[in-house]
Amino acid sequence: DQQVKQNSPSLSVQEGRISILNCDYTNSMFDYFLWYKKYPAEGPTFLISISSIKDKNEDGRFTVFLNKSAKHLSLHIVPSQPGDSAVYFCAASYGGSQGNLIFGKGTKLSVKP
Amino acid sequence: NAGVTQTPKFRILKIGQSMTLQCAQDMNHNYMYWYRQDPGMGLKLIYYSVGAGITDKGEVPNGYNVSRSTTEDFPLRLELAAPSQTSVYFCASSFPTIKNGYTFGSGTRLTVV
Repeated sequence: DQQVKQNSPSLSVQEGRISILNCDYTNSMFDYFLWYKKYPAEGPTFLISISSIKDKNEDGRFTVFLNKSAKHLSLHIVPSQPGDSAVYFCAASYGGSQGNLIFGKGTKLSVKP
Repeated sequence: NAGVTQTPKFRILKIGQSMTLQCAQDMNHNYMYWYRQDPGMGLKLIYYSVGAGITDKGEVPNGYNVSRSTTEDFPLRLELAAPSQTSVYFCASSFPTIKNGYTFGSGTRLTVV
């Protein structure tokens, strides 16, 4: 049973526009959520995280929104750049400040010039 | 600063053979992890360690063994390779806090034939 779901396998956006990547989860015990970016033949790279006590966290062009009542989070990239083209993984953790991460299947983002 | 180093990058094994995937980190991280990623799937946790001499099973530990004799190294052992173990293996490390995520290695692509 998937606890972290990324229902869109792929997303294509135009350079300069907003990219919105979505993630749903089923376990209400999750207390930390993270986004990772992965290029082919490389390991995942940490992007941004959010605690369950917050509803928004921002870092430059990346903003993560958390809606606990809907068990939904999203990653907004503004403006999108061709270098953002990669697979994005949503991950969740429970168990306090150090819990093992559970990953979604990923969404492949393509940003077209 | 090399981060997390995994060797080898690629390997082809025959059914029943054994091998060790090496992982080393130079960031003085207490926590280390082994994940596998099958095509079109998210990362699944095999084993993890919270410090030298301490290891524990993750979601998919069957067919694997680990040891952690030093802070820096966390090798993953496959004793009797099976085709189901064909995957990309990622090692990661972190401090005991989740908010900055894990640092991943670049992966080992393993094929069992």
